[in-house]
Amino acid sequence: KAGVTQTPRYLIKTRGQQVTLSCSPISGHRSVSWYQQTPGQGLQFLFEYFSETQRNKGNFPGRFSGRQFSNSRSEMNVSTLELGDSALYLCASSLGIGAHGYTFGSGTRLTVV
Amino acid sequence: AQTVTQSQPEMSVQEAETVTLSCTYDTSESDYYLFWYKQPPSRQMILVIRQEAYKQQNATENRFSVNFQKAAKSFSLKISDSQLGDAAMYFCAFSTGANSKLTFGKGITLSVRP
Repeated sequence: KAGVTQTPRYLIKTRGQQVTLSCSPISGHRSVSWYQQTPGQGLQFLFEYFSETQRNKGNFPGRFSGRQFSNSRSEMNVSTLELGDSALYLCASSLGIGAHGYTFGSGTRLTVV
Repeated sequence: AQTVTQSQPEMSVQEAETVTLSCTYDTSESDYYLFWYKQPPSRQMILVIRQEAYKQQNATENRFSVNFQKAAKSFSLKISDSQLGDAAMYFCAFSTGANSKLTFGKGITLSVRP
C-alpha cells in the first residue's frame, strides 16, 4: 500500500515567485492536512481538507492557499514568496477526521532565495 | 488554546537501555487525543503511539509505552531496549475530538550511543 506522496522533494524559488506543492494521500484517505516546519517556529498547521472542503485553517497569511480534488489529492500554493517561507512542508492524510492519527509524507523542502 | 511543551531539547541513551521523553500539555477540552511522532533524518513523521484521553489504560506498542497522567496533563514516552534506529527527533502532539489539527511540541532530539 503506497504511502503519502509529496512532490517535488526539493524546490528552489526566487523571492516574489509563486509555488505549488502536491500531495497524494493514501488510497481511501479523504482527509489531507498541511504543516509547515521551520527550525524557529517548529511544526505549524496550515490547513485541512476533507472531501474537497477546507475544514480548518491555521494562522497564515492569505498568500497560502490550498485545494483538494475529487480523488483526494491536494495541492497547496504560496504566492509572492518571501525568504521566511523557506521551510519543510509536510502533508498528512487520514481515513477520517483526525483522531486516528495522520500518516505523513516525506515533505517538500522549499528554499526561497 | 492548546499548548504542548517538550522542555528537553536533547537526550541521549545507551543502546539496550531505557529512556523516557517528557511532554506536558494544556487544554480545557475533555475529548482529546495525544500522539508521539518520530522524525528520522528521512524527514517523514512516523506515528509511534496514540492515546485517547478517555482511556485510563496507558497505550503500548512493542518497545514503546506512555505514562499518561491526565490530572497532571503529562504524557511521557518510554522507549525500552533502545536501538540505534530509534535515534531521531520525537514530537509530542495533541488534537481534540472537535478540531483534528495537530498541535506539536518543539520536539526532542534523541541520540542512541552504541
